[in-house]
Amino acid sequence: AQKITQTQPGMFVQEKEAVTLDCTYDTSDQSYGLFWYKQPSSGEMIFLIYQGSYDEQNATEGRYSLNFQKARKSANLVISASQLGDSAMYFCAMRENSGGSNYKLTFGKGTLLTVNP
Amino acid sequence: DTEVTQTPKHLVMGMTNKKSLKCEQHMGHRAMYWYKQKAKKPPELMFVYSYEKLSINESVPSRFSPECPNSSLLNLHLHALQPEDSALYLCASSQRPGSSSGANVLTFGAGSRLTVL
Repeated sequence: AQKITQTQPGMFVQEKEAVTLDCTYDTSDQSYGLFWYKQPSSGEMIFLIYQGSYDEQNATEGRYSLNFQKARKSANLVISASQLGDSAMYFCAMRENSGGSNYKLTFGKGTLLTVNP
Repeated sequence: DTEVTQTPKHLVMGMTNKKSLKCEQHMGHRAMYWYKQKAKKPPELMFVYSYEKLSINESVPSRFSPECPNSSLLNLHLHALQPEDSALYLCASSQRPGSSSGANVLTFGAGSRLTVL
């Protein structure tokens, strides 16, 4: 079974609108971390936001916020006021913190976001 | 500018060639990683170095040989590669090996795009 599921292969949004990218995860660990990365066509993976499993508040970083619903095992990324430069592939990733696996990030398949002018 | 520098950005090699990919960081991070990313796929972990020692080898074929000469440098030596090894190779580093802290975020380089003819 996939540990990270991103069900939207592609998303379109109008400039200045908000968009939500979906991510669900599967783990039996109590302690884990969830990450979102952005990958423009240039290839670099850019860290956007982190949410720890014990964090009670949803993470926010500028225009990015993470809608963390632990019971539903979802960690959706919300981008507010989209900009043309937000067009990129977005990956959700999880780090499980037990059994020596806490080096490893497991990535979802990604969502390609296109921002239209 | 990314804080993890990878060279070369592009590499074309024949199946009998020997080449190396290089990665450098000066953030004082003590864990370094190699990931392989095929087109339209998420990154896949290849190797992890922790305090300059190889910690994880994700069953990578021996035609890929990692080396960590010091805490700032990571190399990936390539020999007798196959066309299916063509991919984007991403280097990353993180502050504290094995830490589950949210501060232990992976910082990626821009990647080396490898084509094997």
